[in-house]
Amino acid sequence: EAGVAQSPRYKIIEKRQSVAFWCNPISGHATLYWYQQILGQGPKLLIQFQNNGVVDDSQLPKDRFSAERLKGVDSTLKIQPAKLEDSAVYLCASSSVWGGDNEQFFGPGTRLTVL
Amino acid sequence: GQQLNQSPQSMFIQEGEDVSMNCTSSSIFNTWLWYKQDPGEGPVLLIALYKAGELTSNGRLTAQFGITRKDSFLNISASIPSDVGIYFCAGQDSTLRDMRFGAGTRLTVKP
Repeated sequence: EAGVAQSPRYKIIEKRQSVAFWCNPISGHATLYWYQQILGQGPKLLIQFQNNGVVDDSQLPKDRFSAERLKGVDSTLKIQPAKLEDSAVYLCASSSVWGGDNEQFFGPGTRLTVL
Repeated sequence: GQQLNQSPQSMFIQEGEDVSMNCTSSSIFNTWLWYKQDPGEGPVLLIALYKAGELTSNGRLTAQFGITRKDSFLNISASIPSDVGIYFCAGQDSTLRDMRFGAGTRLTVKP
């Protein structure tokens, strides 16, 4: 079974530029999560989708971050414009059922450096 | 929101030694989870705990869900070089919506 795919693996941009990350979850997984992991910290949830609907985006900085999952499969996370403090690894995860005791499977992440 | 305090921040041990790390929370969790993250990879689930007092093993790993539901520990017995990595605790509250992660324990095993 293929795991969660993310691209690109690395991205370097200058502040005020825009950037987009892509995630393809495990086939059949209805729930998709985007996390931000700053160096030396644990992952922090940004947004959670159930199929193509947003379940929780309370920690998403909506003035500059946006995410979509139009067809309920893959998803994109966008930052516009980027700030220095956005430098982090952005992890995508998926699970088969929202909430409950279903395991979240993580992708390898996209490491973003903002200069 | 809930704060998770994970300790120690880092550990340097000799191969074959046992390791213990723990996590405490300012509020109650319904689920405690322990993950391991290798460099350049996403976290991988090691053990999930669903009931207060539960003690669960996975090979050389043992984890417990504290009775107060505000803490958990992970033990690794007879460490080996491939145990190197960052270990994260995570908790889910009664809404079971989002997971809160600790800051991680960085484990180094010297052969």
